[in-house]
Amino acid sequence: AQTVTQSQPEMSVQEAETVTLSCTYDTSESDYYLFWYKQPPSRQMILVIRQEAYKQQNATENRFSVNFQKAAKSFSLKISDSQLGDAAMYFCAYTGNTPLVFGKGTRLSVIA
Amino acid sequence: EAGVAQSPRYKIIEKRQSVAFWCNPISGHATLYWYQQILGQGPKLLIQFQNNGVVDDSQLPKDRFSAERLKGVDSTLKIQPAKLEDSAVYLCASSFKREGSKNIQYFGAGTRLSVL
Repeated sequence: AQTVTQSQPEMSVQEAETVTLSCTYDTSESDYYLFWYKQPPSRQMILVIRQEAYKQQNATENRFSVNFQKAAKSFSLKISDSQLGDAAMYFCAYTGNTPLVFGKGTRLSVIA
Repeated sequence: EAGVAQSPRYKIIEKRQSVAFWCNPISGHATLYWYQQILGQGPKLLIQFQNNGVVDDSQLPKDRFSAERLKGVDSTLKIQPAKLEDSAVYLCASSFKREGSKNIQYFGAGTRLSVL
């Protein structure tokens, strides 16, 4: 079964600085998709960024980018120029031919 | 475009009582999902519908949980009777397709259930 591991329960970053959240996954599938979702206190899960496994190029969305290492099964999220509004729970998620599987999340605090 | 709508936002019940949650997905989304998110964990899939048919309910505690999606649009998740361990946030999500590049799931704000 596919598993997703987020080894950092909590992280903090100074406003305007850069932070990287880690995620590793385990799968035997060759075709799959990886996601980072943000969950603020309002509870609504918001898609931050998506990576397709067959694409070697790392996905980027404005201040958010990923470092996708397929051989190492690693999928980290980098947030540049951190803003107060980035404070939230961040979940890494995987889907292939299976339902979406989430990690346990990383709570990110942004310090003004 | 309207997002995924869920109600109620909060519900407090006593154990052994019944409760129901409602979800209206994004228009045109054929796939609908119900997740349970226990405090401190990531969401766990309970049931997945494709139109009005069940695709995956392998993690749904069928002795107490039930769900339906009549007419392939709105869905209701019911718990009867509730146990203390059912206290969680119940999230509904929808997507255009079941899998592949279109399987971006859009989530509602969830219902926080407290069972006393």
